[in-house]
This record gives sequence, structure tokens and C-alpha cells, in this order.
Amino acid sequence: GAVVSQHPSWVICKSGTSVKIECRSLDFQATTMFWYRQFPKQSLMLMATSNEGSKATYEQGVEKDKFLINHASLTLSTLTVTSAHPEDSSFYICSARDWLAGGNEQFFGPGTRLTVL
Amino acid sequence: AQRVTQPEKLLSVFKGAPVELKCNYSYSGSPELFWYVQYSRQRLQLLLRHISRESIKGFTADLNKGETSFHLKKPFAQEEDSAMYYCALGNYGGATNKLIFGTGTLLAVQP
Repeated sequence: GAVVSQHPSWVICKSGTSVKIECRSLDFQATTMFWYRQFPKQSLMLMATSNEGSKATYEQGVEKDKFLINHASLTLSTLTVTSAHPEDSSFYICSARDWLAGGNEQFFGPGTRLTVL
Repeated sequence: AQRVTQPEKLLSVFKGAPVELKCNYSYSGSPELFWYVQYSRQRLQLLLRHISRESIKGFTADLNKGETSFHLKKPFAQEEDSAMYYCALGNYGGATNKLIFGTGTLLAVQP
């Protein structure tokens, strides 16, 4: 089946530093990937849609200069949390659509736990 | 506006009891509905989609366009069904791509 990986699985950083999270589709090509935040015991909040070879589409209220997204290849999207602050601490999850399969099904990564001190 | 509503945050049942997790949606186009499940300490994974009309792990869900519902059902709950369940709405055949998730229902199956 379609597998999505994320790296790192967890990261702790100091306030003011930047953190990069990678999302990879391992056995399929993904022209579209998605980045979500999940707060404890809450649902997923879509942050942005990452499009291969073009700019990401951000959801309302999400700062694009704060959360930089790069989708340079059909199997890799990165999310960089710039100048991280404690309020950015969260569980970040990516997902990907199988370009060849079509449809709206998304395959999810295991998530990255970010803790900003 | 596109919206998915899961009215129950928590559903607690005993093993062997029937389960129904409610999901209602609001969408003007042709909806594509999914149920995703998240077991403890695991990633979100697809349980079933209305287009497939299949039964997975004993769960079924029927799209009712008249009631704009896509409730998830299982006749006899098992302890291993305990998990977080999310209903999600997509745009079938459209270019929007993104899924809209409900707030989720935690299913707790007691022994």
C-alpha cells in the first residue's frame, strides 16, 4: 500500500530557531501533499496544500512566512517552521494523494511532534 | 459552506454491542465521503470510502444524500475497535483536492 514517511518523528528546539520537517511518499508519486496540525485530543486542522512545482496554498489564518512549504519533487514536501515559539508546539502531520490513482483519498504520515522551549 | 459534523466526542459501548458513529455533512456539490481511523499511537488510516461500498473490519457506512449523512456502523463491537474515528468530506471529481475533517469521535469499547 501507499506509504508516507515523516522525518523527524519528534524534535525539540529553542525559541527563535527554525525547524524543517520532511514528508516523503515512498512508493508513489504525489503532486499534492497536505500539512496539518493536530492539537491534543482535537481534530486535524489543515494548514496548507503543497503543490509540486508551484506555490503552496495556505488556509485562512495560517501565516505563509511562518510556515514555509517547499514541494520540489513528486515524492518530497518540506515544512519549515521559522522562528519557532512555544505556541508553535504541536503535532504536525502530512498526507499525500496518489497522483496516478486519482480521487481524494489521502495517505498519512506518522506525524512529527514539535516542542519549542 | 462545506462542513462535517460529528456530534459525539465520545462513544462508549460494551463488547458485542452495536455501534453507530454519526456523521453529517454540508456540501453543495457531489460529495466523496470517507471514514478514517486513528488507533492509539498510530497514524491516521483510511477505514472506508463511500464510493467503494465495502465493509472493512465489519464496519459499513452508507451515504444518505437526503439526510446528508454518512454514519459508520458495526453490529458487534470488539475491544480492538477502540480508536478515534474521523469522518471526512472531499469533492468528488473536482479539483479542490482537500479533505474536510470532522472533529472526531473517540470510540471506547469496554470488555
